[in-house]
Amino acid sequence: TQLLEQSPQFLSIQEGENLTVYCNSSSVFSSLQWYRQEPGEGPVLLVTVVTGGEVKKLKRLTFQFGDARKDSSLHITAAQPGDTGLYLCAGAHSGGSNYKLTFGKGTLLTVNP
Amino acid sequence: NAGVTQTPKFQVLKTGQSMTLQCAQDMNHEYMSWYRQDPGMGLRLIHYSVGAGITDQGEVPNGYNVSRSTTEDFPLRLLSAAPSQTSVYFCASSYSGRGKNIQYFGAGTRLSVL
Repeated sequence: TQLLEQSPQFLSIQEGENLTVYCNSSSVFSSLQWYRQEPGEGPVLLVTVVTGGEVKKLKRLTFQFGDARKDSSLHITAAQPGDTGLYLCAGAHSGGSNYKLTFGKGTLLTVNP
Repeated sequence: NAGVTQTPKFQVLKTGQSMTLQCAQDMNHEYMSWYRQDPGMGLRLIHYSVGAGITDQGEVPNGYNVSRSTTEDFPLRLLSAAPSQTSVYFCASSYSGRGKNIQYFGAGTRLSVL
């Protein structure tokens, strides 16, 4: 089993603060995805990173894939209450069969107004 | 375009009862998966399918059966429900291309087993 460790598990911050969520593994992934899940809903894909060292930006969110494709980070600048939710990282198996994903346990983010 | 549709949204069962969680997708995706989500455990893969007629076990398959007779549908069956199966169940469909696997999730079925 390829494990993905997410940290921190819980994060409560004030509006306007910056934050970083980490996703680490000892295994190499062919791609890594970040999802956001709101209460009562299924996860929704935010971004997919494929290349080692890749950086993608989605408005105030910056995603980075580690050079060795074993870890990733999500940085949010000037967090807003609308960013509140559960953030999940998921890695696709390296070696061709990339339809199976391994999910981290998630980071529950609360942004207080 | 409905995406991934799960029914029912909520269900309460007694121990030993059986039921089927329905999942349908209208995106013509090859791959479909079932996950369960428990507090502090993230999403864990139960069963998955890479196409009609082909299924395989995921990380936590015990107590669950699946079949894939059509591309669109991927039902999950609980033959004899147990309290340990109380959870939120998510179905997902996906396509794979250019090294990516984009999963689209349904809204979930919240199951309580008493």
